[in-house]
Amino acid sequence: DGGITQSPKYLFRKEGQNVTLSCEQNLNHDAMYWYRQDPGQGLRLIYYSQIVNDFQKGDIAEGYSVSREKKESFPLTVTSAQKNPTAFYLCASSPGQVVSPLHFGNGTRLTVT
Amino acid sequence: KNEVEQSPQNLTAQEGEFITINCSYSVGISALHWLQQHPGGGIVSLFMLSSGKKKHGRLIATINIQEKHSSLHITASHPRDSAVYICAVPYNTDKLIFGTGTRLQVFP
Repeated sequence: DGGITQSPKYLFRKEGQNVTLSCEQNLNHDAMYWYRQDPGQGLRLIYYSQIVNDFQKGDIAEGYSVSREKKESFPLTVTSAQKNPTAFYLCASSPGQVVSPLHFGNGTRLTVT
Repeated sequence: KNEVEQSPQNLTAQEGEFITINCSYSVGISALHWLQQHPGGGIVSLFMLSSGKKKHGRLIATINIQEKHSSLHITASHPRDSAVYICAVPYNTDKLIFGTGTRLQVFP
């Protein structure tokens, strides 16, 4: 079955360490997105990519970095510069622009202490 | 003021009840998404609609573009419908604005 795989489901890190969250899709979708979810807030866009080797900052990109070397993969690195990294991170993909149906992964819950 | 507002924030129901969740938005849009987030955190896309009404099983989504309002209805609710329901609207070709969600609990 086609879908989006995020790993790991839970991730624990010490403050000051960089950490990379994995996102892989086998839907052959061009567009991929990273969102952050905090309690009581709507999902917020961190980075997105419409094609391989190209990506754009979202609304809260500071302290994060991404790469899009392959169509199926869009890893997110949470750097030590991110002031409040503890959150739930969701990866999504779509065939095209945001008026296309979205497919989400199951998320990674990152806890930084 | 949030550009996408959902109501109610929390909703409890008895099994079998008819459920309505509302979404109002202030930006001009071409389509609106309804999403379902289960307790484990994964999100499933329920509907994407730009006009009128869509139905899938016991779920019905309606949208009124002129009034900038959409509703999600669940008929004959069941405990497995317990989840957070989220609406989202595009604000340009690449980005979505998400509501904060409506948490639904259906009790047997």
